[in-house]
Amino acid sequence: NAGVTQTPKFQVLKTGQSMTLQCAQDMNHNSMYWYRQDPGMGLRLIYYSASEGTTDKGEVPNGYNVSRLNKREFSLRLESAAPSQTSVYFCASSEKGAQHFGDGTRLSIL
Amino acid sequence: EDQVTQSPEALRLQEGESSSLNCSYTVSGLRGLFWYRQDPGKGPEFLFTLYSAGEEKEKERLKATLTKKESFLHITAPKPEDSATYLCAVQVGSGSARQLTFGSGTQLTVLP
Repeated sequence: NAGVTQTPKFQVLKTGQSMTLQCAQDMNHNSMYWYRQDPGMGLRLIYYSASEGTTDKGEVPNGYNVSRLNKREFSLRLESAAPSQTSVYFCASSEKGAQHFGDGTRLSIL
Repeated sequence: EDQVTQSPEALRLQEGESSSLNCSYTVSGLRGLFWYRQDPGKGPEFLFTLYSAGEEKEKERLKATLTKKESFLHITAPKPEDSATYLCAVQVGSGSARQLTFGSGTQLTVLP
């Protein structure tokens, strides 16, 4: 009963490096989301995908890109990492009800 | 702008000492209010959805209530395993994707 799976769990990058965070869900949900969580600021929406083939910006999209690869997978890319992007990143998915979250990727940018 | 404010930021209780967490919100047309529990190093775990003022939901020692301006998460006779951060979120938008605006959470510690 995997639910939402995120990889990697931890990553350290140097400023300017690029990387892609992976997310897959096995609940056959249409909608998927990427959030970042910073101390004292709660979860903030970066991008979301209402359905396969569509993506839209959330509250804090600058510095990120996303790809909805298929119904199961939704990836988040940092093209040129900056220290301000140090955070915990969560992927979530939903159908008509509540969003279900993965356990996050802890990303540090040095 | 949609806003969600949770209080207190942190709460320490003795085992068995009941209390309530508050989530106040300012939104243009509430479509749903969600409560989540988050354990350290884990993602948020869904607890409840409330849709209209007066609605209540219960699960074990937790009861969530909703008014037109705020929601309460009541914890009755808590146990140490109830220690976690509790998040509330409001749903914005009416499209197929349900965008959520989250509060910053209440960190609950229940002491044995």
